[in-house]
Amino acid sequence: EDQVTQSPEALRLQEGESSSLNCSYTVSGLRGLFWYRQDPGKGPEFLFTLYSAGEEKEKERLKATLTKKESFLHITAPKPEDSATYLCAVQALQNEKLTFGTGTRLTIIP
Amino acid sequence: DTGVSQDPRHKITKRGQNVTFRCDPISEHNRLYWYRQTLGQGPEFLTYFQNEAQLEKSRLLSDRFSAERPKGSFSTLEIQRTEQGDSAMYLCASSSGSGAGANVLTFGAGSRLTVL
Repeated sequence: EDQVTQSPEALRLQEGESSSLNCSYTVSGLRGLFWYRQDPGKGPEFLFTLYSAGEEKEKERLKATLTKKESFLHITAPKPEDSATYLCAVQALQNEKLTFGTGTRLTIIP
Repeated sequence: DTGVSQDPRHKITKRGQNVTFRCDPISEHNRLYWYRQTLGQGPEFLTYFQNEAQLEKSRLLSDRFSAERPKGSFSTLEIQRTEQGDSAMYLCASSSGSGAGANVLTFGAGSRLTVL
């Protein structure tokens, strides 16, 4: 069964303090690894898809990387508007569903 | 296109009642998904449609849950004889299924169900 584990569960950072979120996964053949952002009371918002080990993608202050067992979401010089829950999900080759982790709740303090 | 729309946004019901949620996907998307999310957890897959065909269904989806997508457009998720454990956010998502970003899910804002 596909599994996704995210750490830490919660992270508080000062504005401008860079850090990384971790997503460890097991999947029977990876089709893609996805990062989503979710604000309270809203649906998840797509950030990145990574398909193969070594791949990296960037968007503003966020950068996602992928290895064969884990993915990192690096956040550089975060701002308060980056506060949200960040969800990681995997999609296996043989089906369409995404298996999500429980997320990392990120709080950026001004 | 305004994205994925879900209705109602909030529903409070008594145990044992039936409830129905509606999802209108992005018009050019032929794939539609239902997920359930409880507090502090990630979304959990329920079921998936390609056009009007229901192609995948979670083992967790009990017989009280049924989903339809008539004519491959909007979808409904019905929960019969609701239980307190059904209280959750029900999320709908759609994807194009082809081209760049084929498997990228666009989520709606969700329908929050509270069963008293």
